Amino acid sequence: DTAVSQTPKYLVTQMGNDKSIKCEQNLGHDTMYWYKQDSKKFLKIMFSYNNKELIINETVPNRFSPKSPDKAHLNLHINSLELGDSAVYFCASSRPDSTLAKNIQYFGAGTRLSVL
Amino acid sequence: SQQGEEDPQALSIQEGENATMNCSYKTSINNLQWYRQNSGRGLVHLILIRSNEREKHSGRLRVTLDTSKKSSSLLITASRAADTASYFCATPNSGGSNYKLTFGKGTLLTVNP
Repeated sequence: DTAVSQTPKYLVTQMGNDKSIKCEQNLGHDTMYWYKQDSKKFLKIMFSYNNKELIINETVPNRFSPKSPDKAHLNLHINSLELGDSAVYFCASSRPDSTLAKNIQYFGAGTRLSVL
Repeated sequence: SQQGEEDPQALSIQEGENATMNCSYKTSINNLQWYRQNSGRGLVHLILIRSNEREKHSGRLRVTLDTSKKSSSLLITASRAADTASYFCATPNSGGSNYKLTFGKGTLLTVNP
């Protein structure tokens, strides 16, 4: 009964390849996020979608393209992978009601991407 | 952009001791949150304190907020080995539906048995 699940957990790939990470939440939330955590554990938001619409795009290279087929899913596709893309990517979601509750985010377990 | 900064970066204590972590931020906020991240796992929300609150408790956790100093502290009492994790503060950018959270760099807490 995982609330926010992302696959795969580990992803090892060569430079230049294209890869996707999938995220699904069963919490009924309407806002979903992608974060990147670097080797120093710094967590930075990349994208946020609210009801399938993009609301945050934090100057992420356009090689990264999020796709939200419905409210429960937010997938991340990465083209032409580079060494610097190696990191842990986290999906998260937040509740639809009240301003304060919307701030509380629920995270997936992360996808560790290694670009060789 | 505002950003929480936790200190210390790393803290090592013995089981049973208390652990205190601090967070500073730069702009006005309406609330501040603390999250825990166990090694190899996602972040888990611990506690949220509103800007009109000065202190909040949840089990062995005690959070304080000083908006005049733009700082918060997280106290874990009677620590256990299972409390070993990274702890992050997070502050929101409010306005409309753009509820972005900005996370600090975290404090790595190690509780030795």
